Amino acid sequence: GAGVSQSPSNKVTEKGKDVELRCDPISGHTALYWYRQRLGQGLEFLIYFQGNSAPDKSGLPSDRFSAERTGESVSTLTIQRTQQEDSAVYLCASSFPGAMNTGELFFGEGSRLTVL
Amino acid sequence: AQSVTQLGSHVSVSEGALVLLRCNYSSSVPPYLFWYVQYPNQGLQLLLKYTTGATLVKGINGFEAEFKKSETSFHLTKPSAHMSDAAEYFCAVSRGGYQKVTFGTGTKLQVIP
Repeated sequence: GAGVSQSPSNKVTEKGKDVELRCDPISGHTALYWYRQRLGQGLEFLIYFQGNSAPDKSGLPSDRFSAERTGESVSTLTIQRTQQEDSAVYLCASSFPGAMNTGELFFGEGSRLTVL
Repeated sequence: AQSVTQLGSHVSVSEGALVLLRCNYSSSVPPYLFWYVQYPNQGLQLLLKYTTGATLVKGINGFEAEFKKSETSFHLTKPSAHMSDAAEYFCAVSRGGYQKVTFGTGTKLQVIP
């Protein structure tokens, strides 16, 4: 697609439920990032994919969080047994492949998660 | 390891005044440096970037930044603030290739009429 697409744009869920957030990167972008942004806060790195592998998932806050990517395209971030502190905007970004990659990221509009 | 420090989580300027947002980085190799802007309820968009070449980089909306290797800085400036510049600004560093991008904690710019 023309840009990074994220869905849903807004999700309200009850504490304890599982949620899935989806990111569709720009076609041909092999690097994909997930960040979390709590209200009024900066960007918190979660996980980084290069192709289908995740060389850096050090930012995942707990084992309730997982992410996968298939076919070097769509990525899904799953949060199990959601807690109120998971409420945030989850931002996805993608970038050009390897040697062409200067680190410039292209961001989606984000998925706003509210846990009641 | 690489890191980014943004001095001042909130900056207020009067409309028409100089905007200066500070960013210092650490990197073991020559970095790629970026400024992103985030308007309320939106994702981040690239304002400007330094990769190689000229150290004074011009971006969108009249912003520019200068890469100073000796000071490990990449401060963002704009000669005259406009109300529409009110947003949050993030500095970022990367070594490119397969290396991840590291962001600063952000600076919220308020423009006072």
